[in-house]
Amino acid sequence: GAVVSQHPSWVICKSGTSVKIECRSLDFQATTMFWYRQFPKQSLMLMATSNEGSKATYEQGVEKDKFLINHASLTLSTLTVTSAHPEDSSFYICSARSDGYNEQFFGPGTRLTVL
Amino acid sequence: QKEVEQNSGPLSVPEGAIASLNCTYSDRVSQSFFWYRQYSGKSPELIMSIYSNGDKEDGRFTAQLNKASQYVSLLIRDSQPSDSATYLCALGAGGSYIPTFGRGTSLIVHP
Repeated sequence: GAVVSQHPSWVICKSGTSVKIECRSLDFQATTMFWYRQFPKQSLMLMATSNEGSKATYEQGVEKDKFLINHASLTLSTLTVTSAHPEDSSFYICSARSDGYNEQFFGPGTRLTVL
Repeated sequence: QKEVEQNSGPLSVPEGAIASLNCTYSDRVSQSFFWYRQYSGKSPELIMSIYSNGDKEDGRFTAQLNKASQYVSLLIRDSQPSDSATYLCALGAGGSYIPTFGRGTSLIVHP
């Protein structure tokens, strides 16, 4: 149990385009989802927290208009990187947690490369 | 603000030895603690959770929690080269808490 999937697993795009990353909880209802970014050999950086049906809460320094998060259902959250630039190239990882449980489970991550 | 401190390592141990990974935290309110393993280029994987003082064992892994000392550790017995990874300590994600991760300790198990 507690499986989280992400799609796509990797994506290459041109500078200025937008990229959407999907995060799905496959066998449980994810009342809360977290989006992280990780640069090579760096620690996880929490970008935002989203609760189903509510607006996401962004961490300080994360531009909400650039990183659009939608958590419309209990099994799906999406992160859209708008007008991507090379400095947005990173490993994006989502995690999901069910109400009443403390553990969060991570998706396999999406590697974004912006040319 | 919660802080989670880990030695970045690398911690190098020979195959078959016990690897001991340590983590200290600043927030006395936290009630849940987790250890994640992250292989290079992969996402973190939950390996242990602990909520009460004392030891919790799962196979070759033992988590130890001491809330008075604000200290949590992970012991890996009979270390294998496949255990080589970065181990992340984290404070709970329940309720209104935002999960807090340490920077991770790199473990190298050499044959």
